[in-house]
Amino acid sequence: DAGVIQSPRHEVTEMGQEVTLRCKPISGHNSLFWYRQTMMRGLELLIYFNNNVPIDDSGMPEDRFSAKMPNASFSTLKIQPSEPRDSAVYFCASRKPGLAANIRDFGPGTRLTVL
Amino acid sequence: GENVEQHPSTLSVQEGDSAVIKCTYSDSASNYFPWYKQELGKRPQLIIDIRSNVGEKKDQRIAVTLNKTAKHFSLHITETQPEDSAVYFCAASGRNTDKLIFGTGTRLQVFP
Repeated sequence: DAGVIQSPRHEVTEMGQEVTLRCKPISGHNSLFWYRQTMMRGLELLIYFNNNVPIDDSGMPEDRFSAKMPNASFSTLKIQPSEPRDSAVYFCASRKPGLAANIRDFGPGTRLTVL
Repeated sequence: GENVEQHPSTLSVQEGDSAVIKCTYSDSASNYFPWYKQELGKRPQLIIDIRSNVGEKKDQRIAVTLNKTAKHFSLHITETQPEDSAVYFCAASGRNTDKLIFGTGTRLQVFP
C-alpha cells in the first residue's frame, strides 16, 4: 500500500496567490482529515470528511480556506488568497471504516511557505 | 470542547534511562487516547493507543497508562535509545471520536 499521498510536498508562493493542496487517501479508507501544523498552534484539525461528505469544518480558519472531496480517492484544500500567516505544514490523514478504527494514517505533508 | 494539555514541552534523558510524558484531558466522555511520534521533517506516526476500558497497555519498551478518574494518561519509554529522539504528541478523542484533539507535543532528546 502506498499510504496517504500528498502533493505538492513543498510549495512556495507569494501573498495573494491561490494555493491548492492535494491528497489521495489509502484505498478503502472512508474518512479523510486535513490538519495544519505550526510551531505556535501545534496540530490543528481543519476539516474532515466521512464518505466524501464534509462533516465538520469548524477548524477552517477563514473563508479563504475551502476543501472538497469529489470522490473517495481525492481531496483538495484550497487557500485563496494566501497570506504569510498561512505558512505551515498541512497534513492529510485517512482512516478506515469501523467503530474501533480510530487510527489515522498521516500523509507526508505539504510544507507551504507564503512570502 | 475537548482540551488536552501535555507536559513537559522538552525532555532530555541519558541513553538507557526512562522517559515519562504526561497528558491531561478535559472531556470525561473521551474514550480513545493515541500517542504519535514525529521525527524531524516527517509525518506523525502512531506508536501506541489506549481505550477507556483499559488502564494500561504495553508494547515492548513503550507503555501507556490511563487514569479516567483523574483524566490523565501517560507515555512511558524504558531503556531509551538515541533513535527515540523525536517529538511525541498525545491526543484525546473527545465526545466525537472523529475529532482527535492533540496536545502541544514533547520534544524528547536521548543523549548517548
